[in-house]
Order: sequence, then C-alpha cells, then structure tokens
Amino acid sequence: GENVEQHPSTLSVQEGDSAVIKCTYSDSASNYFPWYKQELGKRPQLIIDIRSNVGEKKDQRIAVTLNKTAKHFSLHITETQPEDSAVYFCAASTPRGGGKLIFGQGTELSVKP
Amino acid sequence: DGGITQSPKYLFRKEGQNVTLSCEQNLNHDAMYWYRQDPGQGLRLIYYSQIVNDFQKGDIAEGYSVSREKKESFPLTVTSAQKNPTAFYLCASTPRQLKDTEAFFGQGTRLTVV
Repeated sequence: GENVEQHPSTLSVQEGDSAVIKCTYSDSASNYFPWYKQELGKRPQLIIDIRSNVGEKKDQRIAVTLNKTAKHFSLHITETQPEDSAVYFCAASTPRGGGKLIFGQGTELSVKP
Repeated sequence: DGGITQSPKYLFRKEGQNVTLSCEQNLNHDAMYWYRQDPGQGLRLIYYSQIVNDFQKGDIAEGYSVSREKKESFPLTVTSAQKNPTAFYLCASTPRQLKDTEAFFGQGTRLTVV
C-alpha cells in the first residue's frame, strides 16, 4: 500500500543552525505534501505545504522542496530557535482509495539554546 | 480552537470493554479521518470517510469500528478485539478533494486500558 518514510527520527541542533528533515513516498499519484508541527500535548498544525506542480516553496525561515522523479520531499528550517522544538510530520495525499492522507513516522526536533 | 472537537480528552477502559471516542466538526468538511499515534510510529490511519454513510479501512482497522450517519460526526469505537488499544487518538477533517487542502485536527483523546 501507500507509504511515507521520514528521517531522521530525532534531530538535535544548536540555536541558529539549520535543520533538515527528509521524506520519501511510494505512490506516484500523490499530489499534495503538507508538513505538520506538533508541540507536546497539542494537536498537529500545518506549517507549510507544497503541491505536485511546484518544486520549492518558502515561508520565512521554513522551506520545502519536492523532487517528484525521486519521490522525495524535504523540510528546511533555517536560523532555528528553541520554540521550533517539536515533533514534525510529513504527509502525502493520494487519490487512491477515494483520497487519503498518509503520514511519516515523525521527527523530534530539539533546538538547544 | 474551534472547528473540530474530540471528546473525552482522557479515557480509561477496562480490558474486554468497548469504548467510543467522539469526533464532531462544524467546518462543513466532507472527509473525516481517525489516526492512532504511538511514540516513534507517527500517525497511522485507522478509518476514513469521504462522504456520509460511507467509510474505508485504513492501515490498522482491525479491532476498530466507525459510523458516519451525519456529515459532522465520525465516532470511533475501540472494541475488545483491539489487542493493544492504549494510545493517543486523533481525528481530522478535510474538504472532500484532498488536493491543496489542509487537514484540521482535533485535540486528541488519550485512551488507557486499566
């Protein structure tokens, strides 16, 4: 079935450094790729997304890149701050089975001051 | 934090009992989803529904059941057949067409078997 692999599972960086999280997906029909941030005890919230007809998207310190040929996409956070510490999930939406959203395993990001 | 509401926030179940988790949304979204969250395993899809009176199994549907009698409601029942039900359960909704759309999540229900 459809699958999304996410790496690394944990990531620790110093404040001000960059962080990169990578995901690969299996279904070539996937057409929408959101990233969610989940702070401890809270619900996941969308931070950025990218559609299949776009290669890169940026929003302030956050950027996402998509390589459809290789079926992988990445989240880049620059100038990290302690409040960026959270669990990040990538996801891919597929029209198969009527349409569903498949998530990666999550990356726990820790930004040390 | 309006839009999609889960209840209760915490739920305790004795072994052998069925329990039902509530999920209600007022976003007029057609599609609703149930995910299970365990440490290190991300969000795994249990069931999803694209339209009223229709739903599909996700990757880990065994031991769970759902109904979709109303557009705004998608309750999840954890049956006694679910061998390891202790987890954090998240409900989400999206407009029917997934392309270019954000999924909105409820605040979650933490289920513990005692």
